[in-house]
Amino acid sequence: EVQLVESGGGLVQPGGSLRLSCAVSGFTFNRYWMHWVRQPPGKGLVWVSRINSDGSSTTYADSVKGRFIISRDSAKNTLYLQMNSLRGEDTAVYYCARDAGVGAPHFPHWGQGTMVTVSP
Amino acid sequence: SYELTQPPSVSVSPGQTARITCSGDALSKHYVYWYQQRPGQAPLLVIFQDTERPSGIPERFSGSTSGTTVTLTITGVQAEDEADYYCQSGDSSGNYEVFGGGTKLTVL
Repeated sequence: EVQLVESGGGLVQPGGSLRLSCAVSGFTFNRYWMHWVRQPPGKGLVWVSRINSDGSSTTYADSVKGRFIISRDSAKNTLYLQMNSLRGEDTAVYYCARDAGVGAPHFPHWGQGTMVTVSP
Repeated sequence: SYELTQPPSVSVSPGQTARITCSGDALSKHYVYWYQQRPGQAPLLVIFQDTERPSGIPERFSGSTSGTTVTLTITGVQAEDEADYYCQSGDSSGNYEVFGGGTKLTVL
């Protein structure tokens, strides 16, 4: 069974940093692209970033480019999101999602999410 | 930036048919994926590649496409289908993934 478990969320002040983790199991981690998707309170889903299967290529939404860094550790079966220079508008539930691995990017598997609150 | 447009809300009575649309300039060239999200839960993929249904998704969920508009149809809506529905696709360059704004389906 595919499992994705996020951790690392919490309350952080504007301008601060936070690192999210997503521990995966039930599949061969280094065969799949991985993504982060966020959802501000009461709002819709927003794609944040993706990383290819070996970690050599990353892409970011314009809203986080230059502030967030996605990475992965195949030895630990873990995906990360380093979030720097955090702003109030970064407040959201952050989901990690596994790509389908076939066809265009899409997300058949999701974690339960971790809440990040950016506030003084 | 590329946008996918969905109606904010759709309401139907139990047993009726709900149709949720998603429009975008590049949708005639890129597949669309649909997700159901119940309150407090992670999204669930219900349609992939415009019209395909993952295993375990009820047959009452179907997808169709016409030009730059795709439609999620739920035939014989049940109370448990009340949720937010999001379409997702890639932008025209294929570099970014985009979600529609979401449609809240209310079962009256």
